[in-house]
Amino acid sequence: NAGVMQNPRHLVRRRGQEARLRCSPMKGHSHVYWYRQLPEEGLKFMVYLQKENIIDESGMPKERFSAEFPKEGPSILRIQQVVRGDSAAYFCASSLDPQTLVPGVRMNTEAFFGQGTRLTVV
Amino acid sequence: GENVEQHPSTLSVQEGDSAVIKCTYSDSASNYFPWYKQELGKRPQLIIDIRSNVGEKKDQRIAVTLNKTAKHFSLHITETQPEDSAVYFCAASIKGYSGAGSYQLTFGKGTKLSVIP
Repeated sequence: NAGVMQNPRHLVRRRGQEARLRCSPMKGHSHVYWYRQLPEEGLKFMVYLQKENIIDESGMPKERFSAEFPKEGPSILRIQQVVRGDSAAYFCASSLDPQTLVPGVRMNTEAFFGQGTRLTVV
Repeated sequence: GENVEQHPSTLSVQEGDSAVIKCTYSDSASNYFPWYKQELGKRPQLIIDIRSNVGEKKDQRIAVTLNKTAKHFSLHITETQPEDSAVYFCAASIKGYSGAGSYQLTFGKGTKLSVIP
């Protein structure tokens, strides 16, 4: 199991271009999460997807950002018309289905992170 | 939504001493609390997690405690070693939409731990 794979590792884009970040979850994982990390800061949730469905996109800006997780292939985070403020590390994580470890309560399973894509907008 | 506060932001300890990092959360419905270690330029890696049905969990030199009433949880590292130097993040699960359960993690801002040989 190769783990969560993200590519590219580094991406440089000029202002106004599009950035496409790819994430292949661990084998058997159907839940994908995207987080953004600014220097010296924590990870900010952006979007949570299952195969072919966006479950929660409350952390993703309404404009210019979109995400998908198609039936076949990796999850894609797309940023259109990039601006300098988009420069950050973008991490993807994947997990198995939440488990019912306590009767009536579904809880998280471990989220494994990819190596991240470091986006620089010049 | 959920809010996670983490303290301290930086922590320096002598090798062999203990380190304690504390986090508080706001959403009483949160039920999963992982801790991640991130070395410079690398991915966050889970080091220990705790669910709301237990109050304490230990794995060798690392332990986590959870106080649901006070809504805080702590990471304890004993007999620290230089290789423990990294940024540590606490997190809490958040129930997203009513009845749906979103399961994404809300992270604290991190604690930069330095272990001095």
